[in-house]
Formats: sequence, C-alpha cells, structure tokens
Amino acid sequence: QVQLVESGGGVVHPGGSLRLSCSASRFTFATYGMHWVRRAPGKGLEWVATIYYEATKKYFADSVKGRFTISRDNSKNTVYLQMNNLRAEDTAVYYCAREFLQVPGLFDYWGQGTQVTVSS
Amino acid sequence: EMVMTQSPVTLSVSPGERVTLSCRASQSVSSNLAWYQHKPGQAPRLLIHGASTRATGVPARFSGSGSGTEFTLTISSLQSEDLAVYYCQEYNNWPPSTFGQGTKLEIK
Repeated sequence: QVQLVESGGGVVHPGGSLRLSCSASRFTFATYGMHWVRRAPGKGLEWVATIYYEATKKYFADSVKGRFTISRDNSKNTVYLQMNNLRAEDTAVYYCAREFLQVPGLFDYWGQGTQVTVSS
Repeated sequence: EMVMTQSPVTLSVSPGERVTLSCRASQSVSSNLAWYQHKPGQAPRLLIHGASTRATGVPARFSGSGSGTEFTLTISSLQSEDLAVYYCQEYNNWPPSTFGQGTKLEIK
C-alpha cells in the first residue's frame, strides 16, 4: 500500500520559514508527480504546489507564488515544501499527495498531514 | 476563476439512508471531476474520478454522476463509517485545480 508521511510542521512567527518533508514508500517515486494541498481551519482543501518527476516542471497556487518553493530528492523518495515569509493565512494542515498516473491534477494517495501554525 | 460550490454544507443522516451530495462548477469541467472522503485525523481518500469511475477498493455503494457543471455523489445505503467530509475537485483546467468547500455528513 502506498505510504506518504509528512513532517516538519510547527509553530512559527509571521515572516518566518518552515520546510516540510514528505517521505514516500511502496511505489516508484521517481515516476510520479507530487503535490502539496492544505486545509485551513474552517475552510476546504486548497491545492498549493506541484513538482513533476523531472523537477523542472513546478507549479504554485497564486496565494503562495514567490514565497513557497517545492523540490524533490528521488534518491531519498522525498518531496519538500520550503515556506518563506509565512503569513497567518498560511495556517493549515498540509498534505502531501501523489498524482494519479497520467492524469494531471488528480490525486490518488494522500498523507495524514502536518500542522503549520503561523502566529505571533 | 473557477468556483466549485457544494451543497448542502452539512447533512444530518441516519445509517441505511440514501444520500445525495451535489457539486456545481462555475464553468464546464467536462468529466474531469473527482470526489474525496476525508475523516478527521486521516488522509483524504479518492473515491471517484472522471465524474463516475470508482477508485480502487471503493465500495459499490458510492457512485458519481454528471458532466459539464453539475455533479452528484450518491451513497446508496449509508454506513456509520461513511461519516466524513466529502469534497469535489475539478482538474479540467490544470493547473490550478479547485476544490469545493466540502459537505459534512453527520449523524441525525
């Protein structure tokens, strides 16, 4: 069974930074696009960022463009989300998700999430 | 900007009931529509993709229908383990992809 485990969440002050990690197992990581999706308190799911296996194709939601970066290490089966200049509205549970093979934007497996709280 | 609107926001239901959840897109998404189930503290789970195709391992009591802008998720006979938040998501205009705000199923 596909496994995705997020880590790196925590409490940070506005303007601060965090790096989230997502460790993947039980599938051929290098061949899949990987995504980050978040759920803010009282709100629905919001797609955040995507990286494809070549690592040259990356996409970001407008709400995080210029502040967040995404990277992957296929030798470690891990995808990262570097979050800079964090704002209160970035407070959310962040989920890592795998892309359904050859269906861009569809997510077939998810992790359980890691909590990020931005507060002074 | 794509907007996905789900209704109702909350639905009180009893085990054994037939449940229908709705999702409306602000513009056509063809059949590029998915439904996810999300229980507290758990990973979201893909239920339906392509508007009507059940994902691997999803029980037959879950079915999806619709195309264009109007979509429905039906649970033919609600089980207690189905209590969760359900989200629709369009992936027709990727990137980005847009989710609805969710429908919460709770015990009546």
